[in-house]
Amino acid sequence: KAGVTQTPRYLIKTRGQQVTLSCSPISGHRSVSWYQQTPGQGLQFLFEYFSETQRNKGNFPGRFSGRQFSNSRSEMNVSTLELGDSALYLCASSQHNEQFFGPGTRLTVL
Amino acid sequence: GESVGLHLPTLSVQEGDNSIINCAYSNSASDYFIWYKQESGKGPQFIIDIRSNMDKRQGQRVTVLLNKTVKHLSLQIAATQPGDSAVYFCAEIALTIYNQGRKLIFGQGTELSVKP
Repeated sequence: KAGVTQTPRYLIKTRGQQVTLSCSPISGHRSVSWYQQTPGQGLQFLFEYFSETQRNKGNFPGRFSGRQFSNSRSEMNVSTLELGDSALYLCASSQHNEQFFGPGTRLTVL
Repeated sequence: GESVGLHLPTLSVQEGDNSIINCAYSNSASDYFIWYKQESGKGPQFIIDIRSNMDKRQGQRVTVLLNKTVKHLSLQIAATQPGDSAVYFCAEIALTIYNQGRKLIFGQGTELSVKP
């Protein structure tokens, strides 16, 4: 079975721009969660999607949004980028409790 | 608020020695705990998990201990190898929020360095 894939792997944007990141979960997994990882804050939960519905949300501003498609693939969007949004964005898919992570998208905001 | 923290940010051990990584959690409602390993440039990888109705669980070269009285979790790695060098995270999940979705609350991480 293929693992969780994320595209792109690296991205450079400037302040004020918006960005869309993509995640393809493991086949058969219906839950997709997104996390932000920074050296200062560690791994922080953004949101979880299940069957195209946002089921849980972390404490991030409304600039961070996501969606899930009928094939369970998910995207997250960050609008009006700030320097502090520079981070590794990780996607994880799950069938039960165990979450399988993708390699992440490294976003740099200049 | 909810938090999971690690006692030691870095741990350096000699190859062949045993490693112990500690973690404290604050949410007494958490029913499930996971240890992840993250190597440079990769996403976290599942190592071992434990439910709150257990106090010990063993895997291949790894053992997780759970002390609910003091809300403490530890990961023991036997005969540590250079390939074990990575950042280790503990994470908790409250199964009581299952119907509202689930989220992992991660600790800050401990960097394990294995000296040959």
